[in-house]
Amino acid sequence: QSALTQPASVSGSPGQSITISCTGTSSDAGGYDYVSWYQQHPGKAPKLLIYNVSDRPSGVSNRFSGSKSGNTASLTISGLQAEDEADYYCGSYTTFSTYVFGSGTKVTVL
Amino acid sequence: QVQLVESGGGVVQPGRSLRLSCAASGFTFSAYGMHWVRQAPGKGLEWVAVIWYDGSNEYYTDSVKGRFTISRDNSKNTLYLQMNSLRVEDTAVYYCARDLRWKVDSWGQGTLVAVSS
Repeated sequence: QSALTQPASVSGSPGQSITISCTGTSSDAGGYDYVSWYQQHPGKAPKLLIYNVSDRPSGVSNRFSGSKSGNTASLTISGLQAEDEADYYCGSYTTFSTYVFGSGTKVTVL
Repeated sequence: QVQLVESGGGVVQPGRSLRLSCAASGFTFSAYGMHWVRQAPGKGLEWVAVIWYDGSNEYYTDSVKGRFTISRDNSKNTLYLQMNSLRVEDTAVYYCARDLRWKVDSWGQGTLVAVSS
């Protein structure tokens, strides 16, 4: 049950687009479309941004989008804004009927 | 609106037990699976356990197997996590979260468990 691999940090200027990767195996992110992305601001609970690889819950900005290729899922934030500065985690169902999170990525808006 | 409120956290000595509760409201609790997720201070999210909507199945991360038990009472709209043989490394904020087909869409605010002698 190893964590999915994410870059420790990603940064961008306001208005730019950034992409966060999330690499797993065929037993988790690569094998199922139950990949989600979560945003967490300091001291707050995580918030669901993307589920089923690319679906957005109602109320989530369309600046957030998800995709997957092979064992790697990606979250793209377009039109980066100051309030996007937060930690981001991917998560996936696994073949063992468990769940696994990514290692987390700190997004900094320059 | 969906509300999940955790309680039961606190400071406990290594080897002791603690039971967390998560009171759910604003949705049909018995229709959803439920997770416990924890976050050690300054660290990332770690999935702990899941229970099916009807309590028929439960799964755990390896590090808590045999020590933690997830359960639910659908008549009381409440989720539980019984934590036995606590270790220093179990220190974390514990979140309960709602699940529908592995879409973890609602989270509580968390309760802090500190294991220390």
